[in-house]
Amino acid sequence: RKEVEQDPGPFNVPEGATVAFNCTYSNSASQSFFWYRQDCRKEPKLLMSVYSSGNEDGRFTAQLNRASQYISLLIRDSKLSDSATYLCVVNRGGSQGNLIFGKGTKLSVKP
Amino acid sequence: DTGVSQDPRHKITKRGQNVTFRCDPISEHNRLYWYRQTLGQGPEFLTYFQNEAQLEKSRLLSDRFSAERPKGSFSTLEIQRTEQGDSAMYLCASSLTGTGNYGYTFGSGTRLTVV
Repeated sequence: RKEVEQDPGPFNVPEGATVAFNCTYSNSASQSFFWYRQDCRKEPKLLMSVYSSGNEDGRFTAQLNRASQYISLLIRDSKLSDSATYLCVVNRGGSQGNLIFGKGTKLSVKP
Repeated sequence: DTGVSQDPRHKITKRGQNVTFRCDPISEHNRLYWYRQTLGQGPEFLTYFQNEAQLEKSRLLSDRFSAERPKGSFSTLEIQRTEQGDSAMYLCASSLTGTGNYGYTFGSGTRLTVV
């Protein structure tokens, strides 16, 4: 089983749609969770951390279920500028473990 | 400080040649990481340093690869006897120890093409 698995995608949605990405991780010792965004041929950039209680940043909502080892990202009212690849990221274990990236899910928002 | 800098941005080399990449992290960050990313994949961990000490190396880092961070500031990644399978984006990132909840800051990467 891969350490971090994501929906394969791609997701093609119209502007204004709500889209959800899912991710599972295998290491129950993982303590830090993130969503990164990566534009084509650019470096990954931190979108948001994911906290146990769930957290929201504008149109973006992240949820964590430690019991199921499951992470989600919800994007409401999609914009054209949201088109990118979204990477689910988990630390290997403990507070200092290295970050492990999923393969990413490509989102394409159409007019 | 404008972030993590990597040089060069692009490198085309012939198979069998050696290449070296440089990374300058954010100045106050004591941790520096190297990742490799191929098309359609997420970044894969290669190695990381805390100050000048190399603390972990992935099994992806064959004996043709070597990384250094001699004074705990910039780092270099060298690939000897390059192979076509080494073609990838090589990403450097930095962070502070104990900031597990704050993620890493990545540089723009060095895109290597081995012909």
